Amino acid sequence: ELKVEQNPLFLSMQEGKNYTIYCNYSTTSDRLYWYRQDPGKSLESLFVLLSNGAVKQEGRLMASLDTKARLSTLHITAAVHDLSATYFCAVSGGGADGLTFGKGTHLIIQP
Amino acid sequence: NAGVTQTPKFQVLKTGQSMTLQCAQDMNHNSMYWYRQDPGMGLRLIYYSASEGTTDKGEVPNGYNVSRLNKREFSLRLESAAPSQTSVYFCASSTGGWTEAFFGQGTRLTVV
Repeated sequence: ELKVEQNPLFLSMQEGKNYTIYCNYSTTSDRLYWYRQDPGKSLESLFVLLSNGAVKQEGRLMASLDTKARLSTLHITAAVHDLSATYFCAVSGGGADGLTFGKGTHLIIQP
Repeated sequence: NAGVTQTPKFQVLKTGQSMTLQCAQDMNHNSMYWYRQDPGMGLRLIYYSASEGTTDKGEVPNGYNVSRLNKREFSLRLESAAPSQTSVYFCASSTGGWTEAFFGQGTRLTVV
């Protein structure tokens, strides 16, 4: 059974600081996705990581994938309030078609 | 470009009532999915359809049925709603094969 673990599950940080969210998964997979969800809204795709060593960046967010360690990271640089949201990682290959999601990291960025 | 459209957006049911959640996508995707989202649980796959005419169980299928009406539409039915089915339901679609999924706006369902 594919399991996806994110940590931390809750993070409160100040604007201007850097931080990293971790996503570990239990079985071999070479596709990993990061999504953002604002309160009461749908999920928005942020990054698609398709191979070992993949690195994607968009503004203050950077995601990477290490398939050998079964680990992905989402790094936030110089956080701003607008990045406050819940971030999910999701992994393919759990047997069924469809993605297996982590429980999400609820990120609050305070002025 | 509508993407994935779900109806209704909100619904309150009494225990034992039935209802169908509708989902349609206009991206010509082969695969469609129904997830439920509960606080602290992430998203869990209920059912999926890898192509028109096929459906398969996901992680939490009990109490639900689905129909892939055509390539565009995938519905989720609750035959006899229970309070444990209070949740936010998301429909999603993808080109298939564990590729990136695109999500609808969600249906917030409360069973009392």
